[in-house]
Amino acid sequence: QKEVEQNSGPLSVPEGAIASLNCTYSDRGSQSFFWYRQYSGKSPELIMSIYSNGDKEDGRFTAQLNKASQYVSLLIRDSQPSDSATYLCAVIEGSTLGRLYFGRGTQLTVWP
Amino acid sequence: KAGVTQTPRYLIKTRGQQVTLSCSPISGHRSVSWYQQTPGQGLQFLFEYFSETQRNKGNFPGRFSGRQFSNSRSEMNVSTLELGDSALYLCASSFLAGGLSEQFFGPGTRLTVL
Repeated sequence: QKEVEQNSGPLSVPEGAIASLNCTYSDRGSQSFFWYRQYSGKSPELIMSIYSNGDKEDGRFTAQLNKASQYVSLLIRDSQPSDSATYLCAVIEGSTLGRLYFGRGTQLTVWP
Repeated sequence: KAGVTQTPRYLIKTRGQQVTLSCSPISGHRSVSWYQQTPGQGLQFLFEYFSETQRNKGNFPGRFSGRQFSNSRSEMNVSTLELGDSALYLCASSFLAGGLSEQFFGPGTRLTVL
C-alpha cells in the first residue's frame, strides 16, 4: 500500500513568517514529487515539482527532497494571508507511472 | 493557453442513475487522469488515458469507467450511482503519460447523489 503522509496541521503562522510543510512517502521507487495548493471549494493548483535530491526554489517557495529519508518538504518564505490554503503533497512512484498518490493535506492559515 | 475544462460543473442525481462527466485537456496534452476527492478519503486516482488507451486504473468498482477520444478529450461514466459517489471529480491533463510531466487539474465536477 503506497502511503503519503503529511504533518497533520492545521498550521498557523503570522504574516511574514516561514511556513514549513512536510511530507513522507513509503515507496522507495517514487520518482516525481509535487506540491499542490488547494483553496477551499477550488481544485488543486500545481505550485512546485521536484525530481532530484536537493532544493528547488521558485519565488517564495522552496521544495526540498531527500530520497534516502523518503522526505519532501515545502517552505514558504514571507508568508502572506493569500497563502492560506490546504497544501497537498503528491508522489508518483515507479511501478504505477502516471498515478499521483496524494497526502491528506496540511491546512495552512497565515494571519495578518 | 486555455486550461483544463470540465463539464458540467455541478450535477445532482439520484441513486441508481448514471452520469457522464467530460474533460477537455490543455491543448497539446495527450494524457488525461481522473481523480475523486471526498472529505473522508481525500484525493484518489481513478484512471489515466493516453492516446485513447487506458494506461492505469485505480481501485474503484467497475461502475466507474472512462474513455478518451482522438482529440484527447475524455469522459468518465458512473453507472448505478450510490450515495457514496457524491464527490468532487477532477481531471488532470499532462503532456506526457506515466508521470513524466506535470499534471494540471481542471475546476472539477461536483456530483451530489441523493
